[in-house]
Amino acid sequence: NAGVTQTPKFQVLKTGQSMTLQCAQDMNHEYMSWYRQDPGMGLRLIHYSVGAGITDQGEVPNGYNVSRSTTEDFPLRLLSAAPSQTSVYFCASSPNLGDVNTEAFFGQGTRLTVV
Amino acid sequence: SQKIEQNSEALNIQEGKTATLTCNYTNYSPAYLQWYRQDPGRGPVFLLLIRENEKEKRKERLKVTFDTTLKQSLFHITASQPADSATYLCALGGYNKLIFGAGTRLAVHP
Repeated sequence: NAGVTQTPKFQVLKTGQSMTLQCAQDMNHEYMSWYRQDPGMGLRLIHYSVGAGITDQGEVPNGYNVSRSTTEDFPLRLLSAAPSQTSVYFCASSPNLGDVNTEAFFGQGTRLTVV
Repeated sequence: SQKIEQNSEALNIQEGKTATLTCNYTNYSPAYLQWYRQDPGRGPVFLLLIRENEKEKRKERLKVTFDTTLKQSLFHITASQPADSATYLCALGGYNKLIFGAGTRLAVHP
């Protein structure tokens, strides 16, 4: 009964380094998304996917890449980390966001610091 | 651009009272609105969903209203308890996206 699993929980990067934040869900959900949460700004949508092989940009996509090769996994790649990307990142999944009865299930978050 | 406003100041209330949180939005026509609870260091947890054609929804001590004319939702917690202390987020859904407000922190004092 894992739900949405994010790894790692904490990460420190140096400016310019690249890394991948992992997200996996075991609920066979079609819809997955990535958010970042900064103090006073709430959750901001980075990228989302409505199904395997389909991704699209959210509110703040610059500096991030995603892919969705399987239903279960939705990794978020930071191409060249910058201090402005210091944040808490949340992955979420939903059975189908187009269904008006759909709720989102969130992972526990990854706290990323870029120095 | 779309904007969601929640009271940024913390709401402090006494145990047993009703807490009322506000969510206002502009430049958006959501198909539905959701409320989430978030505790420190944790991911948001879904509480309630209300659709655009619904005026009110209840679940145990929780009540949500949705006024698409005023572009506003009110979230009520009746008979509040210290365990209700958390940050509450509203989110607007539609067009394959779920967009969140910044949240309001609620503190319920014994």
